[in-house]
Amino acid sequence: KNEVEQSPQNLTAQEGEFITINCSYSVGISALHWLQQHPGGGIVSLFMLSSGKKKHGRLIATINIQEKHSSLHITASHPRDSAVYICAVGNTDKLIFGTGTRLQVFP
Amino acid sequence: IAGITQAPTSQILAAGRRMTLRCTQDMRHNAMYWYRQDLGLGLRLIHYSNTAGTTGKGEVPDGYSVSRANTDDFPLTLASAVPSQTSVYFCASSRTSGGPYNEQFFGPGTRLTVL
Repeated sequence: KNEVEQSPQNLTAQEGEFITINCSYSVGISALHWLQQHPGGGIVSLFMLSSGKKKHGRLIATINIQEKHSSLHITASHPRDSAVYICAVGNTDKLIFGTGTRLQVFP
Repeated sequence: IAGITQAPTSQILAAGRRMTLRCTQDMRHNAMYWYRQDLGLGLRLIHYSNTAGTTGKGEVPDGYSVSRANTDDFPLTLASAVPSQTSVYFCASSRTSGGPYNEQFFGPGTRLTVL
């Protein structure tokens, strides 16, 4: 069993829909990261959180430490949100990555 | 340069050849990392360096070596490339290696094909 599991693996949506991507982990963590990988391959950090909730524009990330679960929400999705979203957990001084959720948003 | 850069962008290499992938950051980050990304798998850590002068092995270090002579540069060397090393390689850096400041910044990646 992978230490970081994401669901779903693939997700399609119509523009304007509310999107939720889930991440569950089985190890102790210092922080959880959400990353975005664009079709061109570049990877950018979206959020780093260790408790509660963070919001940036249309993106919201939440974490429940007791349940070892995090969600990434996208409100009013847009075709430019199409990307692979990667969850990673910080364990001591390294990151353990999930395999990613591929999101496609159609106009 | 701003941020973290990698070179080359892509490379096709004959099996058995030696290859060095370059990574440079100008953010004065202490920690640097090399990952490989393969279809269906998450990013996997090859080697890392918590500070200049130190390196450590990650999850998949075999066939790779690194050095960290200074803060800015962290080259990855394949001494004798094999087809299973065909992958996309990402270099990353972070301000420190752990605690609340380990947000990682990624380079654009190097696509390597070993024939």
